[in-house]
Amino acid sequence: DAGVIQSPRHEVTEMGQEVTLRCKPISGHDYLFWYRQTMMRGLELLIYFNNNVPIDDSGMPEDRFSAKMPNASFSTLKIQPSEPRDSAVYFCASSLRVGGETQYFGPGTRLLVL
Amino acid sequence: GDSVTQMEGPVTLSEEAFLTINCTYTATGYPSLFWYVQYPGEGLQLLLKATKADDKGSNKGFEATYRKETTSFHLEKGSVQVSDSAVYFCALSDQGNQGGKLIFGQGTELSVKP
Repeated sequence: DAGVIQSPRHEVTEMGQEVTLRCKPISGHDYLFWYRQTMMRGLELLIYFNNNVPIDDSGMPEDRFSAKMPNASFSTLKIQPSEPRDSAVYFCASSLRVGGETQYFGPGTRLLVL
Repeated sequence: GDSVTQMEGPVTLSEEAFLTINCTYTATGYPSLFWYVQYPGEGLQLLLKATKADDKGSNKGFEATYRKETTSFHLEKGSVQVSDSAVYFCALSDQGNQGGKLIFGQGTELSVKP
């Protein structure tokens, strides 16, 4: 398996623009997670899905952020409008189950909002 | 709520030195414990894990023992190499609380000099 795939790997945009990050989880994994990593706040869980259904979005910072999982092999994280404080590395991860199960991380998308 | 505390970095060692990275946790249930490693420019990957008290996880010369009495999961390696330079994250997953999400420590950067 190719592992978790994320695109784009790097994104530079201007404040106010819409940003869409994409993720393809490992085939057969029922759980998908979106994380954000910054120097100031470390790793934060934004949202996670089970069988394409959002289970916990309590980490989503505000209404500018939205995430969807239209099918088992694809998820998006959208920021609209983007702000400079959204600059971070965004990771997608997937796992078979939760609670003791290994999560497999993608390579991340490095986002810079000018 | 559940939390993980790691020793602050950066930690700088010479090649072949002994490594210890301290990790303590707070959890209301019976968590599984993990060490993840992040190499420069990459996503996190599982290094080792332990799912119950007194279990020892090991991989690539790294070890950590799940100590319930001290709520600790310290990472050790007897002889580090330059290639071990990375950021190490301690994490817990508590199925009975917070739905089994991974709770990460802040990460400890390790730099190994030749």
